[in-house]
Amino acid sequence: DTAVSQTPKYLVTQMGNDKSIKCEQNLGHDTMYWYKQDSKKFLKIMFSYNNKELIINETVPNRFSPKSPDKAHLNLHINSLELGDSAVYFCASSQGVRLLNTEAFFGQGTRLTVV
Amino acid sequence: AQSVTQLGSHVSVSEGALVLLRCNYSSSVPPYLFWYVQYPNQGLQLLLKYTTGATLVKGINGFEAEFKKSETSFHLTKPSAHMSDAAEYFCAVSDYAGGGADGLTFGKGTHLIIQP
Repeated sequence: DTAVSQTPKYLVTQMGNDKSIKCEQNLGHDTMYWYKQDSKKFLKIMFSYNNKELIINETVPNRFSPKSPDKAHLNLHINSLELGDSAVYFCASSQGVRLLNTEAFFGQGTRLTVV
Repeated sequence: AQSVTQLGSHVSVSEGALVLLRCNYSSSVPPYLFWYVQYPNQGLQLLLKYTTGATLVKGINGFEAEFKKSETSFHLTKPSAHMSDAAEYFCAVSDYAGGGADGLTFGKGTHLIIQP
């Protein structure tokens, strides 16, 4: 009964490949996020979707493309992977967009290693 | 833009001792402040948050934090450390995107070590 689940948990791939990370939440939330945690454990928001609409799009390379087929899913596709993309990627969800009134629930993370 | 500074990447305390994890923030608007905990190989879990009202906020697992506007601080404390408190702790401030969503800006984290 995992609330926010990501797959895969670990991903090792070569430079130049294209890969996707999937995220699903069963909390009935309408807002989902992708965060990146680098090797120094610094967490930074990448994207946010509300009701399948992109509402936060931070400065990330356009090789990163989020896709939200429905409110319960937010997948992250990465083209032409680079060494610097190695990080832990966290998916999160919340009900509503204002964290004043709600809480963001995080998945367990996907550790991406580009070799 | 908002930012968060956590003083000390590692903090070590003895079991039963006071835990104090420091967080300072900068924000051009009244901030929403959060503390999250990350246990090994797990996602982040919300400990507590400050939005408005009472400046002393109580969270889960005996933690609490006090919002001090004059000091732009939101330090996390627990009176008596337990071995199970060993984890990474993140302070965060909300970036309200004005009509969009609240993204969280995190500090770099503090690794809490509990000595037996």
